[in-house]
Amino acid sequence: ETGVTQTPRHLVMGMTNKKSLKCEQHLGHNAMYWYKQSAKKPLELMFVYSLEERVENNSVPSRFSPECPNSSHLFLHLHTLQPEDSALYLCASSQDRLGTEAFFGQGTRLTVV
Amino acid sequence: AQSVTQPDIHITVSEGASLELRCNYSYGATPYLFWYVQSPGQGLQLLLKYFSGDTLVQGIKGFEAEFKRSQSSFNLRKPSVHWSDAAEYFCAVAFPGGGNKLTFGTGTQLKVEL
Repeated sequence: ETGVTQTPRHLVMGMTNKKSLKCEQHLGHNAMYWYKQSAKKPLELMFVYSLEERVENNSVPSRFSPECPNSSHLFLHLHTLQPEDSALYLCASSQDRLGTEAFFGQGTRLTVV
Repeated sequence: AQSVTQPDIHITVSEGASLELRCNYSYGATPYLFWYVQSPGQGLQLLLKYFSGDTLVQGIKGFEAEFKRSQSSFNLRKPSVHWSDAAEYFCAVAFPGGGNKLTFGTGTQLKVEL
């Protein structure tokens, strides 16, 4: 148990669907992150939230829309995705201080059909 | 550009043998260095980290890593591998001035033969 919980664990969606990924942390952290893990590629940082404000958006397509309603919850809203968006999406949290350990959730395995 | 390289995509070792996984980074100064492990279907778990001080750091599960500034390396080692160590290992760095964002290598898949 890492303290970071992601739901659902698996998701299959069509290209016209709208779905959301949820992440919850109970570690008292003030920063949360979305990463994308594709086969044979490094983990890609997608979004960073610090104190519930988005501080980083690494040129992610607008079909991915993050939301951070409070310091414990992070969402990734998905719409009109493409098959190449199929990947493992990992949420992480940490204190917003350089070098502090990031705790990761187990990820959501997304398949776009 | 700042980057992290793990030159070995796959490594196979026999149980009980020693292990070394390589990690090199490209950056003008010393970054913060991490090793994470990912078991199948799981998220990433921190094994160890280096910020400053003693260049040999000890982590969980019997792992250690040595920071070598001259080689820009942070290699992970374990004296005797157990079958349960089979997993994917990621080296990551956080660069000063970059907040607490992690830049990851592509990972090394470790297979342990019994």
